[in-house]
Amino acid sequence: AQSVTQLDSHVSVSEGTPVLLRCNYSSSYSPSLFWYVQHPNKGLQLLLKYTSAATLVKGINGFEAEFKKSETSFHLTKPSAHMSDAAEYFCVVSRRTGRRALTFGSGTRLQVQP
Amino acid sequence: NAGVTQTPKFQVLKTGQSMTLQCAQDMNHNSMYWYRQDPGMGLRLIYYSASEGTTDKGEVPNGYNVSRLNKREFSLRLESAAPSQTSVYFCASSTQTGQGTGELFFGEGSRLTVL
Repeated sequence: AQSVTQLDSHVSVSEGTPVLLRCNYSSSYSPSLFWYVQHPNKGLQLLLKYTSAATLVKGINGFEAEFKKSETSFHLTKPSAHMSDAAEYFCVVSRRTGRRALTFGSGTRLQVQP
Repeated sequence: NAGVTQTPKFQVLKTGQSMTLQCAQDMNHNSMYWYRQDPGMGLRLIYYSASEGTTDKGEVPNGYNVSRLNKREFSLRLESAAPSQTSVYFCASSTQTGQGTGELFFGEGSRLTVL
């Protein structure tokens, strides 16, 4: 079984300040982990993914996430928020082998204030 | 380079009506998926197709049927629409590798309202 919990449904930051979106996961198997972003009225786009290589994963648009097995976390960070980062972000867990259904978190809406 | 294309983008139905959501991908992906998105619930898998000729139920299959018409196309049918099926529907496709499910590529969504 697997599940993912996004600890904040809404996060508001000022432009130029750091972003932290929190994600905890539960998995009976070695997981793959992903962050997706969804801009208004659009489909989801992959930001970054962890599949067992380096625990610090760099993605597009300056985002990165660190896989911490001991804490079962995969938090998404960015040093400096931009107005264009305002969107909804989804943390996703998947098995790496066998049946590879993905489980989505409920999402975190990021608001960026000017 | 279209990626994943869904039609229609918007649809209003009355309870009991039927309709089919169409999805096509041009990336030669084996796997295709239908998700629904409801506020505060993330995306929930309705059906998926690991390869041409196969389909499997996901988390919330009741009230839906699917057809994997060929490698490119994967349709979702509502036989008798209910208000609980009001949602935004996303089609996605992906590759499957030794490292598990590859990147999902999503369409832009189909917004369905059932009155």
